[in-house]
Amino acid sequence: GNSVTQMEGPVTLSEEAFLTINCTYTATGYPSLFWYVQYPGEGLQLLLKATKADDKGSNKGFEATYRKETTSFHLEKGSVQVSDSAVYFCALSDLDDYKLSFGAGTTVTVRA
Amino acid sequence: EADIYQTPRYLVIGTGKKITLECSQTMGHDKMYWYQQDPGMELHLIHYSYGVNSTEKGDLSSESTVSRIRTEHFPLTLESARPSHTSQYLCASSESTGGNTGELFFGEGSRLTVL
Repeated sequence: GNSVTQMEGPVTLSEEAFLTINCTYTATGYPSLFWYVQYPGEGLQLLLKATKADDKGSNKGFEATYRKETTSFHLEKGSVQVSDSAVYFCALSDLDDYKLSFGAGTTVTVRA
Repeated sequence: EADIYQTPRYLVIGTGKKITLECSQTMGHDKMYWYQQDPGMELHLIHYSYGVNSTEKGDLSSESTVSRIRTEHFPLTLESARPSHTSQYLCASSESTGGNTGELFFGEGSRLTVL
């Protein structure tokens, strides 16, 4: 079946530091890949997505590249801000059943 | 901005009470989902629906039930709440097949506390 393995947290960084959150997946077909973000007290919001191999998703300074050869979709941001403090979820969608499989989530805290 | 709404946002009730968490979307999406989020933040799919009169159980067993009488509405009901039901419940929807990339749109969540 499909599964997502995500770097464990929590992660604590200083403002302007570089952030990487690792995500690898297992899937039988050609899934779409997503990063969702959950700010304190809120629901999940889509941060970025990639629907095929070598696609790069980007949004709000975050980037992730769909690497089929390494089955990875690592999230990166070059210079984080306090407002980036949130829980980040990597997810995979199998278009055969239209259900998302989520990673366990990584809590990121950025200190001023 | 996604148009999917959950009520109540917060609910504190006593053991044995019946509760219904409401979820509505105005995007005309066929597919709707309920996720339960535990204190460790992991998300578990507990129910989903691919259209009116269609409901299925998800990957995590749940004592809750759902109904889908109208496209835009997907309520979740607990007949007799227990402290073990304390959790955050997230509702989501996704587009009809033709334009679907797999993206889910989430509501803001309903945080349930059972005393």
